[in-house]
Amino acid sequence: DGGITQSPKYLFRKEGQNVTLSCEQNLNHDAMYWYRQDPGQGLRLIYYSQIVNDFQKGDIAEGYSVSREKKESFPLTVTSAQKNPTAFYLCASSIDERRTYGYTFGSGTRLTVV
Amino acid sequence: GQQLNQSPQSMFIQEGEDVSMNCTSSSIFNTWLWYKQDPGEGPVLLIALYKAGELTSNGRLTAQFGITRKDSFLNISASIPSDVGIYFCAGPLDYNTDKLIFGTGTRLQVFP
Repeated sequence: DGGITQSPKYLFRKEGQNVTLSCEQNLNHDAMYWYRQDPGQGLRLIYYSQIVNDFQKGDIAEGYSVSREKKESFPLTVTSAQKNPTAFYLCASSIDERRTYGYTFGSGTRLTVV
Repeated sequence: GQQLNQSPQSMFIQEGEDVSMNCTSSSIFNTWLWYKQDPGEGPVLLIALYKAGELTSNGRLTAQFGITRKDSFLNISASIPSDVGIYFCAGPLDYNTDKLIFGTGTRLQVFP
C-alpha cells in the first residue's frame, strides 16, 4: 500500500544535540512538507520541497535543516540552534499540481528535549 | 505567518449531539479542506471544497464553502465517541502550488 512513513515515533534529545527525523513516501508525490505542531497553535510550516534537490523555507525554518536528494525522502534535522524543539513534527506529501488535492500526512514524530 | 481562525477552540458534547464549527480567513480562498487528527496521529483529509457555495457530505459530516470565499463550515451530525480529535481547516497559500495554511484547530470531546 502507498503511504508516508515517519520514524521514529518518539525521540528524545539532549540539549545541544542535533537529531534527524526521517520521512519516506512511496506515493510518487513531487512535493513534500514538514510541519511543527504545538498545542493551541495549529500546524506551522518549517520547510517544503516541490522537486528533488530544491527546497524552500517556511514560516519557522530557523534552527532546522532539510535535504531532498531523492524524490521519496525528505529528512528534517533539528539543530542545537533551535531553542525550543519539543513538539510534534508532521511530514506530508502532495501531487503539487495547480489544483489543491490536499496532503497525505505521516503519523508524526514526537520530539522531547531532556 | 498567516493562519486561519477556527472557532470554537474546543467543544465538549454528549454522544448523539450535532456539532458545528467554522473557519475564517482575511483573504479569499479558491479551495477549502477539512482534516481530522486523531490523538497522536497525522491529520486525515475529510472533505475538499472547490466552489463558493458548495455543500459536500461525507457520511455524517457536511462541509460548506462560504459565499464570500473567506469562510467555511463543518457540521457533524449524531456524534459518536470516535469523532473525538482535532478538526483543522486548510486552504492554499499560493494559487499556483499545493502549499497549504492550516487553521488553529477545533478540539472535540464526546462523552458517552
